Amino acid sequence: NAGVMQNPRHLVRRRGQEARLRCSPMKGHSHVYWYRQLPEEGLKFMVYLQKENIIDESGMPKERFSAEFPKEGPSILRIQQVVRGDSAAYFCASSPQRRSGENQPQHFGDGTRLSIL
Amino acid sequence: LAKTTQPISMDSYEGQEVNITCSHNNIATNDYITWYQQFPSQGPRFIIQGYKTKVTNEVASLFIPADRKSSTLSLPRVSLSDTAVYYCLVDTGGFKTIFGAGTRLFVKA
Repeated sequence: NAGVMQNPRHLVRRRGQEARLRCSPMKGHSHVYWYRQLPEEGLKFMVYLQKENIIDESGMPKERFSAEFPKEGPSILRIQQVVRGDSAAYFCASSPQRRSGENQPQHFGDGTRLSIL
Repeated sequence: LAKTTQPISMDSYEGQEVNITCSHNNIATNDYITWYQQFPSQGPRFIIQGYKTKVTNEVASLFIPADRKSSTLSLPRVSLSDTAVYYCLVDTGGFKTIFGAGTRLFVKA
């Protein structure tokens, strides 16, 4: 999965703290996606962003979760006031600008494993 | 978004060909079929993508019948390192990709 860089790889937080997960897309990719994965389950879509715009956040919990993809720098998934249920692996993916008639598969990072104590 | 159905798990032996079939009865005209592979503690890795008929690359083949309501991922001569979870997805332009539970492939010596 070289190309999409996520950090940190592991993050431990206590209940009530904030968690910030960072994702640098592959070079030349302008679309970023965030997913959450619980053990033994598939990935659940959270949010889709382009530079400075949230395109689809239908998978994001209404409270405590936010995401951004600024003009400069990585995309950030922010979880405020974390609870035990937030423990999961969070994956970021990126894809290039889609041209008409093309389908661009997503390329994934190796995730951030968030543990809440 | 089209829902996919695939076997929960499959067993195979080294050197065999493995075929994993995925059903996607509600696939839309503009949907592509994409397969990913995921190892423990890693993100999904793109394997192959197709729209119709047959697609082949260096690691797999993808067979899609004319009605496109199913697809089959074919892995030739699997090895122990092919033990992983394989996800079948249908999506339009890669937006809001929906992952199912996937197929857990166990390759035995």
